[in-house]
Amino acid sequence: ELKVEQNPLFLSMQEGKNYTIYCNYSTTSDRLYWYRQDPGKSLESLFVLLSNGAVKQEGRLMASLDTKARLSTLHITAAVHDLSATYFCAVRVIQGAQKLVFGQGTRLTINP
Amino acid sequence: EAQVTQNPRYLITVTGKKLTVTCSQNMNHEYMSWYRQDPGLGLRQIYYSMNVEVTDKGDVPEGYKVSRKEKRNFPLILESPSPNQTSLYFCASSSEGTGANVLTFGAGSRLTVL
Repeated sequence: ELKVEQNPLFLSMQEGKNYTIYCNYSTTSDRLYWYRQDPGKSLESLFVLLSNGAVKQEGRLMASLDTKARLSTLHITAAVHDLSATYFCAVRVIQGAQKLVFGQGTRLTINP
Repeated sequence: EAQVTQNPRYLITVTGKKLTVTCSQNMNHEYMSWYRQDPGLGLRQIYYSMNVEVTDKGDVPEGYKVSRKEKRNFPLILESPSPNQTSLYFCASSSEGTGANVLTFGAGSRLTVL
């Protein structure tokens, strides 16, 4: 059974600082997704990582994937208040199907 | 506008009273799925459908039913709701043809079972 674990689950940081959210998963998978959820809102896709060593960047967010270590990271550079949200990683279980297992989510609060 | 539409957005009901949460997408997506979100547990998949008349259980299917008679619609049915089904529900869809299969989520339906 695939398990996906994120850490930290809660993160409070100051604007301008850098930090990393980690996503570990327990069995082999071929793709990993990062989603953002604002309070009271739906989920919005940030990145999809399809291969070992994949790196995607959008603004102050950068995601990477190490399939050998079964680890993905979401790095935040020079955080700004607008990035406050809950971030989820999700891992695809079965090739050819879209059965996703989500992590618990990381609630990120960025203080001025 | 490409979107996934869920209804109702908010519902308070009582134990045992059957209810249906509708989900419709206008993107001609083959894949649709239902998730529930509970604090500290992330999103857990209830059921998914790879195409019309093809459905399969996710991780937490007990107490739920689905059907996929048309490509655009994927309703979630709670035949006899119980308080442990109080949750925030999301419907999502994706195209199987794009390769990345990024899910588009609906706005969510908050269900309270008394």
